[in-house]
Amino acid sequence: AQSVTQLGSHVSVSEGALVLLRCNYSSSVPPYLFWYVQYPNQGLQLLLKYTSAATLVKGINGFEAEFKKSETSFHLTEPSAHMSDAAEYFCAVSHSGGGADGLTFGKGTHLIIQP
Amino acid sequence: KAGVTQTPRYLIKTRGQQVTLSCSPISGHRSVSWYQQTPGQGLQFLFEYFSETQRNKGNFPGRFSGRQFSNSRSEMNVSTLELGDSALYLCASSLSAGVQETQYFGPGTRLLVL
Repeated sequence: AQSVTQLGSHVSVSEGALVLLRCNYSSSVPPYLFWYVQYPNQGLQLLLKYTSAATLVKGINGFEAEFKKSETSFHLTEPSAHMSDAAEYFCAVSHSGGGADGLTFGKGTHLIIQP
Repeated sequence: KAGVTQTPRYLIKTRGQQVTLSCSPISGHRSVSWYQQTPGQGLQFLFEYFSETQRNKGNFPGRFSGRQFSNSRSEMNVSTLELGDSALYLCASSLSAGVQETQYFGPGTRLLVL
């Protein structure tokens, strides 16, 4: 079974500071990994995804994530936090069986931006 | 291109009733997945449809069912509602059902069961 662990249910950073949201996965086969963001009362928006083409993945809004197989991690970073980044962030892994088993999500990390 | 749409956006039902939620995927997308989001359990996979066939189902009771139409639109039904069914139900569409396909999510239907 595949699983995702997001360390820290809440992360608080100052505006302009580095954002680091942690995600570790377990998978018996090479995974496909995703980061989604959810703003209040909205659905999920894809930030970026890893599909084995490159270990450093760049996404929208300045976010990027690095796949580290040795650490089974896929941490999300943004060099400079903006107030508009305040939201819930979800890391997800796609099952080897394809979309048939759906995405497995972490519990989410609530990002708080301090002015 | 229009995104994934879900109707209704909000719904209030009472225990024992049934409910049907609708999802229209992005034009050209043939795969539709459904997820339940609750504060306690987080995001959980319900089922996925591709070309009108249910490909797999998550760990939910048989009260949860769905279907997909020839135009890829999908509906999910929950019968005999329980208080614990109160949740945000999210629909996601993708071009196909491949492992690396990106799922695009709709805004969700928030269901409250009283």
